[in-house]
Amino acid sequence: SQTIHQWPATLVQPVGSPLSLECTVEGTSNPNLYWYRQAAGRGLQLLFYSVGIGQISSEVPQNLSASRPQDRQFILSSKKLLLSDSGFYLCAWSRGLAGGDEQYFGPGTRLTVT
Amino acid sequence: GESVGLHLPTLSVQEGDNSIINCAYSNSASDYFIWYKQESGKGPQFIIDIRSNMDKRQGQRVTVLLNKTVKHLSLQIAATQPGDSAVYFCAENLRGTYKYIFGTGTRLKVLA
Repeated sequence: SQTIHQWPATLVQPVGSPLSLECTVEGTSNPNLYWYRQAAGRGLQLLFYSVGIGQISSEVPQNLSASRPQDRQFILSSKKLLLSDSGFYLCAWSRGLAGGDEQYFGPGTRLTVT
Repeated sequence: GESVGLHLPTLSVQEGDNSIINCAYSNSASDYFIWYKQESGKGPQFIIDIRSNMDKRQGQRVTVLLNKTVKHLSLQIAATQPGDSAVYFCAENLRGTYKYIFGTGTRLKVLA
């Protein structure tokens, strides 16, 4: 069966510091990978998605970037965090079938920028 | 009854009653839809999906209805239990893309 991991689970970082969040998927090959952000009491905002190694699509221009150095690894980064970067960051994967298919989420990382 | 909270609409139901959660999706070209359940502090959990060539799909205690004419999706939960208390989101897959657009969510509160 497939599993998706995210770490760290929680993070408190000062404004201006760098960020690196990691997501890995097990039990599948060549998944589509996604980063979402969720503000408190809000829906999910798609930040980035990737259909293969080195392929990143950005949905929202911002202070963040994403990379996919390996097939089942997806990293969210920032060089300098802003207060507005606080939120719940969720990684997700899908098989990438045409016409849409099930998308599964990781446990999330709670980021607080102080 | 249904009320609007600070950010999320809230649906309160008695334990044992049926719940109906509604979602209006945005794009008439969307042809695949998912319902998620999210408990506090956790990632969304896949519940059930439906494709646009169907009007109804049933799972265990849940039914999803799709009305393409008015771009409306609903999730029905039978015999609602305390463990069903959570925020529920619908998501649509934009045809020809790998992107999913999420609704704003509805908080379901189950009253004992």
